[in-house]
Amino acid sequence: DAGVIQSPRHEVTEMGQEVTLRCKPISGHDYLFWYRQTMMRGLELLIYFNNNVPIDDSGMPEDRFSAKMPNASFSTLKIQPSEPRDSAVYFCASSFKEEKLFFGSGTQLSVL
Amino acid sequence: RKEVEQDPGPFNVPEGATVAFNCTYSNSASQSFFWYRQDCRKEPKLLMSVYSSGNEDGRFTAQLNRASQYISLLIRDSKLSDSATYLCVVVFAPEIIFGSGTRLSIRP
Repeated sequence: DAGVIQSPRHEVTEMGQEVTLRCKPISGHDYLFWYRQTMMRGLELLIYFNNNVPIDDSGMPEDRFSAKMPNASFSTLKIQPSEPRDSAVYFCASSFKEEKLFFGSGTQLSVL
Repeated sequence: RKEVEQDPGPFNVPEGATVAFNCTYSNSASQSFFWYRQDCRKEPKLLMSVYSSGNEDGRFTAQLNRASQYISLLIRDSKLSDSATYLCVVVFAPEIIFGSGTRLSIRP
């Protein structure tokens, strides 16, 4: 298996633009997580899905952030409009039965 | 009080030394425990699970103390390549809680 695949690896955008991050989980995994990591706040859980259904989005910072999982093999995290404080590394992770998480390589987002 | 707490370090130890980290958790009903390793600018990767009876994987030993609500990671004969941030993870379904990580730096 190729592991969790995220795209793009790097994204540089200007404030106010829409940003879409993509994730393909490991086949057969039933949980998918979106995390954000910064030096100041460490690893923060934004939202997670179980069998494509959002379970807990309490970590989503504000209405500018939205996430979808239209099927078992694809998820997106969208920020609209983006702000400089959104600059961070965004990780997607998947797991089977919410145990061991496998992370993608992350998307380094820079909002200028 | 944070649900999972770790000493952020950094721990700076010479090659060959033994080093140990602890991670405390607040929920006594927590079910599963793990250690992850994260290298600079990389994603966290599962290092090992932590079992009630304690477990070893080569130079790494993980232990769980339910009475005192902490888990530990012991690294023997440390190598330069062990330099990384070590994150503890505590699972109380459906919550998976990451510690903030302990930075370890091994010097020659």
